[in-house]
Amino acid sequence: SQTIHQWPATLVQPVGSPLSLECTVEGTSNPNLYWYRQAAGRGLQLLFYSVGIGQISSEVPQNLSASRPQDRQFILSSKKLLLSDSGFYLCAWNPQGKYGYTFGSGTRLTVV
Amino acid sequence: SQQGEEDPQALSIQEGENATMNCSYKTSINNLQWYRQNSGRGLVHLILIRSNEREKHSGRLRVTLDTSKKSSSLLITASRAADTASYFCATVGSGNTGKLIFGQGTTLQVKP
Repeated sequence: SQTIHQWPATLVQPVGSPLSLECTVEGTSNPNLYWYRQAAGRGLQLLFYSVGIGQISSEVPQNLSASRPQDRQFILSSKKLLLSDSGFYLCAWNPQGKYGYTFGSGTRLTVV
Repeated sequence: SQQGEEDPQALSIQEGENATMNCSYKTSINNLQWYRQNSGRGLVHLILIRSNEREKHSGRLRVTLDTSKKSSSLLITASRAADTASYFCATVGSGNTGKLIFGQGTTLQVKP
């Protein structure tokens, strides 16, 4: 069966520290992968999406970057966190050519 | 960027009542999807309606789509306390990679 794993569940980081959030998908190949951010009580903002290894599209200019080193691995990074990077980060995937996303359980990031 | 608006932002009803949420969007779409999010969790895909469809049912869910008005509605019939969650509409634009753009969501509280 297809599953998506996202970790860690919660993270508290000081301003200026680096960030690495990881997302992996199992049970499928060549998925589309997405990183979203959700501010408290708000909708989801698409940050990055990837249609294949090494192919990253950025939706919003920001302090973050994404990488896809393997087919089913998607990483969200920052070299130096800002207070405004706090939020709930969600990874999602869908099969190529099909609609309907499957979301991970999310990472609650608090930058202090 | 957000695709559109959802209305109302918050809704509180009694168990057994029907809940209706509305969503408006701005650009032409390939399909529109509804997702549910329990507090602090990832999103779960509920239903997808294509741009050439006007109504779709799934269990207690009924979705309508009016492309001339660029709007959709989600009706949950015979609501239960377990339906308490945030509900988001999301659109896939025509001709793009399938990336979803979300609305701000409606928070539904069903009182037992």
